[in-house]
Amino acid sequence: GAVVSQHPSWVICKSGTSVKIECRSLDFQATTMFWYRQFPKQSLMLMATSNEGSKATYEQGVEKDKFLINHASLTLSTLTVTSAHPEDSSFYICSAAQSGGELFFGEGSRLTVL
Amino acid sequence: QKEVEQNSGPLSVPEGAIASLNCTYSDRGSQSFFWYRQYSGKSPELIMSIYSNGDKEDGRFTAQLNKASQYVSLLIRDSQPSDSATYLCAAQAAGNKLTFGGGTRVLVKP
Repeated sequence: GAVVSQHPSWVICKSGTSVKIECRSLDFQATTMFWYRQFPKQSLMLMATSNEGSKATYEQGVEKDKFLINHASLTLSTLTVTSAHPEDSSFYICSAAQSGGELFFGEGSRLTVL
Repeated sequence: QKEVEQNSGPLSVPEGAIASLNCTYSDRGSQSFFWYRQYSGKSPELIMSIYSNGDKEDGRFTAQLNKASQYVSLLIRDSQPSDSATYLCAAQAAGNKLTFGGGTRVLVKP
């Protein structure tokens, strides 16, 4: 299957700082990428749809000023958690779609905010 | 209201048996359906996709889709301990956006 890479795989930060997570499609171009968040023992919740060259589309209840998404190229989308707080601690996962519609996921980034 | 429903389990099956997972969805506009496997602490891994009514087989996995009943299922034959994981059902409507079910935890006992 297609390869989607995320970095970093885990990060620990102090409350109030900002954290950037990168998502790259390594062997295909992705005009659309998706960002999910998963809390322990829960399913994936879509946060936003990242569109190359345009603004991201956020799901209801997701603060766009807190979770900044940039999709500057066809192979890279970034999620920045601004002024992180302990309740933002979660597993953040990106995904990208090939032309066939199948979504492939990155390895995930585990964020812990102290 | 959740749009994709799954039994949370755990579904416990003996090694070598068949594991049967079910999923229902509410959005009749959904056209594509996927089963992902997720090990604890890891990202989901695509194991099956199905787009038309009927069965689709891939190795030990068989996906079944019934759009009239808005029902998707996954059968795992000859279950192995390594199949122990959470299985996520997902439905895809326009725009590639996936909606996930809550996942079914499967435990395969040696």
